[in-house]
Amino acid sequence: QVQLVESGGGLVKPGGSLRFSCAASGFTFEDYHMSWLRRAPGRGLEWISDIGRSGSTKSYADSVRGRFTISRDNAKNLLYLQMNSLGAEDTAVYYCARKGAGFGQFDYWGQGTLVTVSS
Amino acid sequence: QSVLTQPPSLSGAPGQRITISCTGSSSNIGAGYDVHWYQQLPGTAPRLLIYGNTNRPSGVPDRFSASKSGTSASLAITGLQAEDEADYYCQSYDGSLNEDVIFGGGTKLTVL
Repeated sequence: QVQLVESGGGLVKPGGSLRFSCAASGFTFEDYHMSWLRRAPGRGLEWISDIGRSGSTKSYADSVRGRFTISRDNAKNLLYLQMNSLGAEDTAVYYCARKGAGFGQFDYWGQGTLVTVSS
Repeated sequence: QSVLTQPPSLSGAPGQRITISCTGSSSNIGAGYDVHWYQQLPGTAPRLLIYGNTNRPSGVPDRFSASKSGTSASLAITGLQAEDEADYYCQSYDGSLNEDVIFGGGTKLTVL
């Protein structure tokens, strides 16, 4: 069955950096677009980044563009998110998700990893 | 402020039927972009509930249904059960935002 498992969250100081990974299994990873989304405390879901099947196409939400970088390693079935210049507004649970074919929905989600930005 | 507007909260008694609205505009839902719905139970990851406006993934009970018309969409839950208490989100795309993903602000459903 499809599984997405994030790792790499934790506590980081303002201005700091963090790198997540998301291990995918149960499907042909290179056949799917992948995404990162987050939910901040007391707020709703927010899409932050997409990456195409080969990794050459990337898009970002305005809130993270220039600070976050999405990447993938299809040989290892891994999705990454490099986050720099973190601020308190980046405190959230971060999810990786698979984009289903055809309709653009997020059909499978990881369990989420918490990032807390605090001094 | 979310591009798609949902009621922040709703409540219903077990067995009742409720609907959650998702209001967009001519650059997103009204432009023909598909609407998807997610359920997020407390402390868990979101789960896809409806995709492509009206389609249920396997495993989603037929008590959940959805529709889309004009610049709005709605999710209906019939025969409300205690385990339906969760946050519900609509999602689409917006042509005026580089076809970026957009979400509603979420609706917290309380089962009385």
